[in-house]
Amino acid sequence: SQTIHQWPATLVQPVGSPLSLECTVEGTSNPNLYWYRQAAGRGLQLLFYSVGIGQISSEVPQNLSASRPQDRQFILSSKKLLLSDSGFYLCAWSASSYEQYFGPGTRLTVT
Amino acid sequence: GENVEQHPSTLSVQEGDSAVIKCTYSDSASNYFPWYKQELGKRPQLIIDIRSNVGEKKDQRIAVTLNKTAKHFSLHITETQPEDSAVYFCAALSGGSYIPTFGRGTSLIVHP
Repeated sequence: SQTIHQWPATLVQPVGSPLSLECTVEGTSNPNLYWYRQAAGRGLQLLFYSVGIGQISSEVPQNLSASRPQDRQFILSSKKLLLSDSGFYLCAWSASSYEQYFGPGTRLTVT
Repeated sequence: GENVEQHPSTLSVQEGDSAVIKCTYSDSASNYFPWYKQELGKRPQLIIDIRSNVGEKKDQRIAVTLNKTAKHFSLHITETQPEDSAVYFCAALSGGSYIPTFGRGTSLIVHP
């Protein structure tokens, strides 16, 4: 069966510091991968998606970037965090059957 | 692009009552409609979905109906229990697209 992992689970970072969040998927090949952000009490904002290694599409211009160095690995990065980057970051994967499954999330607080 | 409207934003019911959440979509090419349940501090979990070749789907106490002509779909929860309390998101996806469009969510509160 398929499993999706994210780490870290929680993170507290100062403004201006770098960020690296990692997501890995097990049990499937060539998944579509997604990064979402959810502000407190709000909906799901799609940040990036990827349909293959090295193929990244950005949905919202911002100081974040994403990379997919391996088939089942998706990384979200920032060189300098802003206060507004605080939120719940969710990685998700899907296959050709459309169902999308979310990882456990990373709760980021920028101070 | 696709636009999904979800109502109500908050729904409060008594335990045992039924709950209905409604979503409308704009793109007639959308053909896949999932529903997610997100408990406080947890990830969204896929609870039920429906494809455009089906009008209704049931799974125990939950059901989803789809009206393609009117471009709306609904989540029905019967005999609600306190553990049904969560935020529910609907979404729509077009064939050939990898990107679901989510509704803004409905906070369901079930009072014991």
